[in-house]
Amino acid sequence: QQQVKQSPQSLIVQKGGIPIINCAYENTAFDYFPWYQQFPGKGPALLIAIRPDVSEKKEGRFTISFNKSAKQFSLHIMDSQPGDSATYFCAASSSDYKLSFGAGTTVTVRA
Amino acid sequence: SQTIHQWPATLVQPVGSPLSLECTVEGTSNPNLYWYRQAAGRGLQLLFYSVGIGQISSEVPQNLSASRPQDRQFILSSKKLLLSDSGFYLCAQGGLAGPGELFFGEGSRLTVL
Repeated sequence: QQQVKQSPQSLIVQKGGIPIINCAYENTAFDYFPWYQQFPGKGPALLIAIRPDVSEKKEGRFTISFNKSAKQFSLHIMDSQPGDSATYFCAASSSDYKLSFGAGTTVTVRA
Repeated sequence: SQTIHQWPATLVQPVGSPLSLECTVEGTSNPNLYWYRQAAGRGLQLLFYSVGIGQISSEVPQNLSASRPQDRQFILSSKKLLLSDSGFYLCAQGGLAGPGELFFGEGSRLTVL
């Protein structure tokens, strides 16, 4: 049973476009929502994270939008570059030492 | 900063053979450690996590086991591999921000033939 549902499975954008990845959750005990970026053959790396008391967080070209009432959050990659091509995972955690991951979205940015 | 060493990086094993994947971490003492598996083109599945030496919690019933003989060592084992055990195995260390902050190693790619 997947506790975090992520969509789309893959997407392709042109350089400069804004890929948007959406995630939804049900467990209201979740209190930390990170995004991870994974390049082929490598382990995932923490990209950006948000807590439910904040509706938006920006770090560089990456923005998380969070809607607590809808139990949804999304990642926007502004002015996307070919180097942003990777698989992105949303995740959610509570205080039980475990992190629930979405299924991942493969983003391809074409030059 | 966290540094996580995993080995071997790649291995090919026949069905029914044993497995041992090792993970060692540097940095803070008594870290939370995790084993994840990623099947081809799939998400990350939590297999085991450990909050201390000898303390292992299993998330998925399977023919895999984990052990933590030392504070910064986490081992994933199997007595008899199945074809379905093929995948990319990732060791991770919990960060200071809490359960959601994980630092992953470079992974071990296992192919069972």
